[in-house]
Amino acid sequence: DAGVTQSPTHLIKTRGQQVTLRCSPKSGHDTVSWYQQALGQGPQFIFQYYEEEERQRGNFPDRFSGHQFPNYSSELNVNALLLGDSALYLCASSRYSTTNEKLFFGSGTQLSVL
Amino acid sequence: GEDVEQSLFLSVREGDSSVINCTYTDSSSTYLYWYKQEPGAGLQLLTYIFSNMDMKQDQRLTVLLNKKDKHLSLRIADTQTGDSAIYFCAEMGENAGNMLTFGGGTRLMVKP
Repeated sequence: DAGVTQSPTHLIKTRGQQVTLRCSPKSGHDTVSWYQQALGQGPQFIFQYYEEEERQRGNFPDRFSGHQFPNYSSELNVNALLLGDSALYLCASSRYSTTNEKLFFGSGTQLSVL
Repeated sequence: GEDVEQSLFLSVREGDSSVINCTYTDSSSTYLYWYKQEPGAGLQLLTYIFSNMDMKQDQRLTVLLNKKDKHLSLRIADTQTGDSAIYFCAEMGENAGNMLTFGGGTRLMVKP
């Protein structure tokens, strides 16, 4: 049983460019959440997708957008990249429930913006 | 917004017990979690506790929850060098869906 998989593992972009990160959830999971982890900090919630819709959003600008596909996989898009967007981007999957107790994380995509 | 705080660093000798502490502000927290992150890796769920419990034990791990003081701790018995990592405390609020609020992480160093 594959866990949460993310691609690519590393990415280097320049300021102003756009980037797309991808995530496949754990088998049996239907909800995908994205987190940004800056160096030396804890992960910060970006948004969550369920049934192909954004259900919750953290304090991130509109430059951050996402998508969920019918097979539950998800993409995170970031436009007009800034140096401060350099971080580890983590995807987490779960089953949709307001009382669900377990989120499983992928290994992340390390984004460097030069 | 809600806040989760952890001390930055803990150093212990191999074979000793480690205790990592966490405080949080959200009084509606339903679940509290401990995740482990090794260098260059994602987050590994270690254990979690429901807010109506005050203790949970899982092999070498013991979680203690003081809901009145909003204090959570993780005790690792017989700490090994492989336990060296960053440990994150996280909480899920009552109406947060599956959204977690994380602390800044505690770096545990285990000396042989």
